[in-house]
Amino acid sequence: DAGVIQSPRHEVTEMGQEVTLRCKPISGHNSLFWYRQTMMRGLELLIYFNNNVPIDDSGMPEDRFSAKMPNASFSTLKIQPSEPRDSAVYFCGSAFYGAVLETQYFGPGTRLLVL
Amino acid sequence: GENVEQHPSTLSVQEGDSAVIKCTYSDSASNYFPWYKQELGKRPQLIIDIRSNVGEKKDQRIAVTLNKTAKHFSLHITETQPEDSAVYFCAAGAAGGTSYGKLTFGQGTILTVHP
Repeated sequence: DAGVIQSPRHEVTEMGQEVTLRCKPISGHNSLFWYRQTMMRGLELLIYFNNNVPIDDSGMPEDRFSAKMPNASFSTLKIQPSEPRDSAVYFCGSAFYGAVLETQYFGPGTRLLVL
Repeated sequence: GENVEQHPSTLSVQEGDSAVIKCTYSDSASNYFPWYKQELGKRPQLIIDIRSNVGEKKDQRIAVTLNKTAKHFSLHITETQPEDSAVYFCAAGAAGGTSYGKLTFGQGTILTVHP
């Protein structure tokens, strides 16, 4: 069991550049989520997919952020253009959602630094 | 939507003492309450969870209690050890409805166990 896979693990970029974060959920899971973690704001839910459909994107900060899930095994989070305040750790995770809630598993995270 | 408040924000104990972290939630529809532990530089990992059909659950030195009437739940760690030092997050979620299993996290508690 590989767990949730994220890439890259670290990203350093300059302000104004496009950043793409990638996620592969656990096989068989039908829910996927993206979180952002900073010291100031804690763990923030950015967007939540169920069966590849975005259910709740109210946490997406602004139009510079976009997320896609073209199939059950892949998702991307894109920031364009990036800004220094986007520096954070971005976690992707997945769960199986059915009649009851099952454990949500987090990926290792992508540490993003925007200069 | 759901709102989860977590207290205290920091907790310092001596090795061997007990530690208690408390959370309150606002949505009476929430029926799943997990607790996550996040060590420095690592991902959040589930340590214990409880569903609304039980009032208490225990796993070795860790226990969680739930009071549905008061809408609060607590994490209890007994015989604390230095390796328990980490950030602990509570969360609340509901199966069914329009939330599709989305979890709302508390702000986190930094637990420090002094040898």
